[in-house]
Amino acid sequence: DAGITQSPRHKVTETGTPVTLRCHQTENHRYMYWYRQDPGHGLRLIHYSYGVKDTDKGEVSDGYSVSRSKTEDFLLTLESATSSQTSVYFCAISEEGIPQHFGDGTRLSIL
Amino acid sequence: AQSVTQLGSHVSVSEGALVLLRCNYSSSVPPYLFWYVQYPNQGLQLLLKYTTGATLVKGINGFEAEFKKSETSFHLTKPSAHMSDAAEYFCAVRPSNFGNEKLTFGTGTRLTIIP
Repeated sequence: DAGITQSPRHKVTETGTPVTLRCHQTENHRYMYWYRQDPGHGLRLIHYSYGVKDTDKGEVSDGYSVSRSKTEDFLLTLESATSSQTSVYFCAISEEGIPQHFGDGTRLSIL
Repeated sequence: AQSVTQLGSHVSVSEGALVLLRCNYSSSVPPYLFWYVQYPNQGLQLLLKYTTGATLVKGINGFEAEFKKSETSFHLTKPSAHMSDAAEYFCAVRPSNFGNEKLTFGTGTRLTIIP
């Protein structure tokens, strides 16, 4: 199995609080992605990275920011969480571009 | 813009029967097409992909899919279902002239295998 670890796996927090999700890889892959999965929507891209300190927005980036200071870590931050950001978040990695390996997900509930 | 439609959010087949999961796409340029599988409480895994060349592509676990341009389809099949195939399956499309940030997923089909 590809070495991708997401933390935390589950989190419950309150509206207005900051939240940071971490994705850690041991594959030294260039590309890293953050997706959210919601019923009826499939997966939607939030942000992605194509190298250290190189990031760009995806389809649903409003309310989210990311950082990648090391090849192995890609952080997703919700500056002020809202109930609409309740979702399951997946990190994915790839070397050639197309997301091939996904983490096991973080289930985030915002009350 | 591109889009993907997966017909049937739930499909049930008997063990040993043919598995057919339907995917139709819309793309203004030649597409790249993908199938992913998601087992319970896990992330997605890439099953197979079509970019160029042979229109019948084979993937892992005995699955295959055929790109039919005239029908704008990329249906996933497996001749004989196994209990371990129970999972959710996602079709995805990406325009061939854009990067992977333009990958669009369908809403998924949950496959149940009846013993």
